[in-house]
Amino acid sequence: KQEVTQIPAALSVPEGENLVLNCSFTDSAIYNLQWFRQDPGKGLTSLLLIQSSQREQTSGRLNASLDKSSGRSTLYIAASQPGDSATYLCAVPPGGTSYGKLTFGQGTILTVHP
Amino acid sequence: DAGVIQSPRHEVTEMGQEVTLRCKPISGHNSLFWYRQTMMRGLELLIYFNNNVPIDDSGMPEDRFSAKMPNASFSTLKIQPSEPRDSAVYFCASSPESGSPLHFGNGTRLTVT
Repeated sequence: KQEVTQIPAALSVPEGENLVLNCSFTDSAIYNLQWFRQDPGKGLTSLLLIQSSQREQTSGRLNASLDKSSGRSTLYIAASQPGDSATYLCAVPPGGTSYGKLTFGQGTILTVHP
Repeated sequence: DAGVIQSPRHEVTEMGQEVTLRCKPISGHNSLFWYRQTMMRGLELLIYFNNNVPIDDSGMPEDRFSAKMPNASFSTLKIQPSEPRDSAVYFCASSPESGSPLHFGNGTRLTVT
């Protein structure tokens, strides 16, 4: 059974800092990995999807990397802003499939203070 | 693109009552998912439809839960009878194809007293 762990559970940083969120998973036979953002009282917004054949994906100030062999992914946020404050979740499909029965981590609650 | 639309946003009901949650996926998306989020268990998949057909309902907690997708633009999740432990936020999500990013609705916050 796939298990996903995110570290740290919470992170508070001053505006402008670069930061790294970590995600680890137990079954490395994944087709892809997704990073989501969740704002309070809202649904999840997909930030980045990395295919198993890729090592990283970039979108603006966000960069996600994937190391399948070690079962790890990181989300790097450059020059953090107060608007980045949210819960960040990573999720993977079952090993050997690509469909959306995602297993989610518990998330990292990020607070960026001015 | 209006995104995935869920209704109601909030539902408060008494134990034993029937609850129906509704979802309109993004037009053209052929996969639809119902997830439940609680503090204790995080996000869990309840059921997954592809082309309106239920593919995997192994996450449905028990017979009190049922889901339907009568057409490509509408799905319901029904709980009958509801219990306090069903209190959670229920999310609907859709995607255009397997392996594509999921698009989530804003969820329905269910409180069963």
